[in-house]
Amino acid sequence: RKEVEQDPGPFNVPEGATVAFNCTYSNSASQSFFWYRQDCRKEPKLLMSVYSSGNEDGRFTAQLNRASQYISLLIRDSKLSDSATYLCVVNTPSTGGFKTIFGAGTRLFVKA
Amino acid sequence: DVKVTQSSRYLVKRTGEKVFLECVQDMDHENMFWYRQDPGLGLRLIYFSYDVKMKEKGDIPEGYSVSREKKERFSLILESASTNQTSMYLCASSSTRDRVFDTQYFGPGTRLTVL
Repeated sequence: RKEVEQDPGPFNVPEGATVAFNCTYSNSASQSFFWYRQDCRKEPKLLMSVYSSGNEDGRFTAQLNRASQYISLLIRDSKLSDSATYLCVVNTPSTGGFKTIFGAGTRLFVKA
Repeated sequence: DVKVTQSSRYLVKRTGEKVFLECVQDMDHENMFWYRQDPGLGLRLIYFSYDVKMKEKGDIPEGYSVSREKKERFSLILESASTNQTSMYLCASSSTRDRVFDTQYFGPGTRLTVL
């Protein structure tokens, strides 16, 4: 089982739609969680951190469910510019400290 | 703004060649990382460094080595390139001492093709 798993998609949605991505992680001791965004042929960039209480940034809402070991990202009112790959990132304790594990990403296409 | 630069965007090398990939960050970050990214596999950590002259193996270090002689520069070396090292290579840096919560900033990537 992968340490961080995401549905690879692609998700094809019309403009204005609401879309949700889930990500599961295997290590219950994982300590911090993030969503990164990666545009085609570009580098990943931090979209938002994910806090236990859930957090919102404009049209984006991230949630953490520690009991079920998953995090989610909700995008409301999708824009064409939201088309990208969304990477789930988990920091997990490891020998000597911790390690950062990236999911393989979920591709989103928003169409007019 | 944090800036992480990589020496080349595209590189084509032949099997057996020695390859140097360089990464420079301008924000005085302590931590630097090298990843490779392949379709369906996501980012996999090759090596990382938390200080000058310090290096630690990541998940897939075989066939690679690194050098960090200066804080701002982290080099990835392929001693003898092979076709299975054809990939996108991404360098990243981060700053906080509490590394659990750090944000990693990525360079633009180097797409390496080994023929």
